[in-house]
Amino acid sequence: EAQVTQNPRYLITVTGKKLTVTCSQNMNHEYMSWYRQDPGLGLRQIYYSMNVEVTDKGDVPEGYKVSRKEKRNFPLILESPSPNQTSLYFCASSNRPPHEQYFGPGTRLTVT
Amino acid sequence: GQQLNQSPQSMFIQEGEDVSMNCTSSSIFNTWLWYKQDPGEGPVLLIALYKAGELTSNGRLTAQFGITRKDSFLNISASIPSDVGIYFCAGRAPGSSNTGKLIFGQGTTLQVKP
Repeated sequence: EAQVTQNPRYLITVTGKKLTVTCSQNMNHEYMSWYRQDPGLGLRQIYYSMNVEVTDKGDVPEGYKVSRKEKRNFPLILESPSPNQTSLYFCASSNRPPHEQYFGPGTRLTVT
Repeated sequence: GQQLNQSPQSMFIQEGEDVSMNCTSSSIFNTWLWYKQDPGEGPVLLIALYKAGELTSNGRLTAQFGITRKDSFLNISASIPSDVGIYFCAGRAPGSSNTGKLIFGQGTTLQVKP
């Protein structure tokens, strides 16, 4: 089954404790992206990747890092999480040029 | 930056009724996408539109890419309880094909009364 998977689905952590949210897709898509979803603000792009070893900032990249060492994986790294990063995070992927994006199930992160 | 205005924000309808929602922009887009998000899940792509004036159906769903390229609408006919969820429009502006950047509307929350 073609899908985008994310882990963990739920995470509660404390300020400053580094964490990684994994994203993997099995559709051989070149393009991958991370979004956060907040009430009243909709979906906002954090980072995206056009291909292996090619990443770039989206609209809200501050406090986040990403890497794209393999085509199928695109982890999101929070080196020092803060409470304002409490949010619902989605990974997405698509073929190039980026057309329809397919979303993962989401990761709900709470930073206390 | 570019923004999409999606309306209505929420709808509460009777099962069997038709539903219509739309998105408008102050600038043109060259792609319109419609997604549905169920509680606790990620958005699922419903319909993709690539040409001005394009009208596309997916079962009971129909969406159109506005002639002016600044709007799109989604219709759901004969609604059923499983249509409940949040519907998002998303647009891609000219020149953003390389970044894949999508601009999302705020969403329309649909509730269906059996």
